[in-house]
Order: sequence, then structure tokens, then C-alpha cells
Amino acid sequence: SQQGEEDPQALSIQEGENATMNCSYKTSINNLQWYRQNSGRGLVHLILIRSNEREKHSGRLRVTLDTSKKSSSLLITASRAADTASYFCAVWGQNFVFGPGTRLSVLP
Amino acid sequence: DTAVSQTPKYLVTQMGNDKSIKCEQNLGHDTMYWYKQDSKKFLKIMFSYNNKELIINETVPNRFSPKSPDKAHLNLHINSLELGDSAVYFCASSQGRGAWELFFGEGSRLTVL
Repeated sequence: SQQGEEDPQALSIQEGENATMNCSYKTSINNLQWYRQNSGRGLVHLILIRSNEREKHSGRLRVTLDTSKKSSSLLITASRAADTASYFCAVWGQNFVFGPGTRLSVLP
Repeated sequence: DTAVSQTPKYLVTQMGNDKSIKCEQNLGHDTMYWYKQDSKKFLKIMFSYNNKELIINETVPNRFSPKSPDKAHLNLHINSLELGDSAVYFCASSQGRGAWELFFGEGSRLTVL
């Protein structure tokens, strides 16, 4: 299965702290994407990293990819209460396959 | 304007009924998808549709059928609804298949009683 698996399943931090979420997958990939889902809403694309890239930044987000370990991490720096959401990684096989997600709670 | 819109947002129905969920995208994308999200937030691909090519997840019961009248629409029909069909169904679209960002609708919460 191409499925990404995030860990931890749930993460609770204080506002201002950094949050790190990890994703592992099983087979070779072309690209890996991270998405955010606020409660009761659809998923929103955050960032795409290709298999030949090692690191990518977007605002307070930093994504790394280690294809030798088949893993990726999403770092959110200086977290805010508004970052409270579920975060999913998705890998491309015949279709995008999503992991079970990490539920992030940022406490004010 | 909403990029990917789904209707209805909520649907409550009895077991055995047939229902449809509609999806429209105004992004000019070539590929559309249906995903099912269960109570544990796990997202599972059901179908993808690209240039009249339908790719079906083999685990999806044949009670589920996608119908695409044109490139901008991909509707989901469900026959003989079962309790286990209760979930949130998401429509998504992308410019193509592969290394493209997915744009999701807001979801349709289906409750089967």
C-alpha cells in the first residue's frame, strides 16, 4: 500500500510552540503532499514536495522529505490557535492515498 | 465563487433508499474524485474520473456509481443505502492526475438510519 501514516495521532501544544508531525509511507513516490482539515470543513492543500526535493518552506511551514527512510515531516513554527486542525499527508499511487491524520490542538 | 461545491451538505435517510450527491467544480480541472471519510477521519478514495476514464477503487461496493455529465460535474449515486454508508463524502478536483494539488469541496455528511 502507498498509504501515508502520520504520527503522532494527536498532538497538543501551547500557542507559540512549534509542532512537528511525521508521515511514513511504504513504496516509491513521485510526490508527497500535506493537507489541513479544520473541523467540519474540506481539506486544504498546504504544500507539495517532489521526490527529488529534500526540504520546502511556505510561510511558517517547513516540510522535509527523506526518500531513503520513506518519511516526511511537517513543522509548523510559532503555532497559533488557528492552526488547530487535522493534518494529513498524501502520497500518489494510482490515486492520492491519505494517511489517518494528526489532530493538532494549539492551546491559547 | 466556491471552487468545488457539493450538495447537499447534510443528508439523512433510511436504510434501503437511493440517494445522490452532486459535485461541481469551476476550476476547469480535468480530473475529479470522490473520497469517503469515516468517523475516525480516515480518507478513502472511491473513484477518480479523468477524460471519461473512470478508475474505481476495487473495494467500493457496486451500489456506488459516479456519473459525469460533463467535465465540471461528477455526481455520486448510492443505491440501497446501508448503515455503514454513513460518513462524510468529499468531492475533489485537480488539474490532472499525479503531481497536482487537490481542491476539496466542503463535504456532504450522509447519515443512514
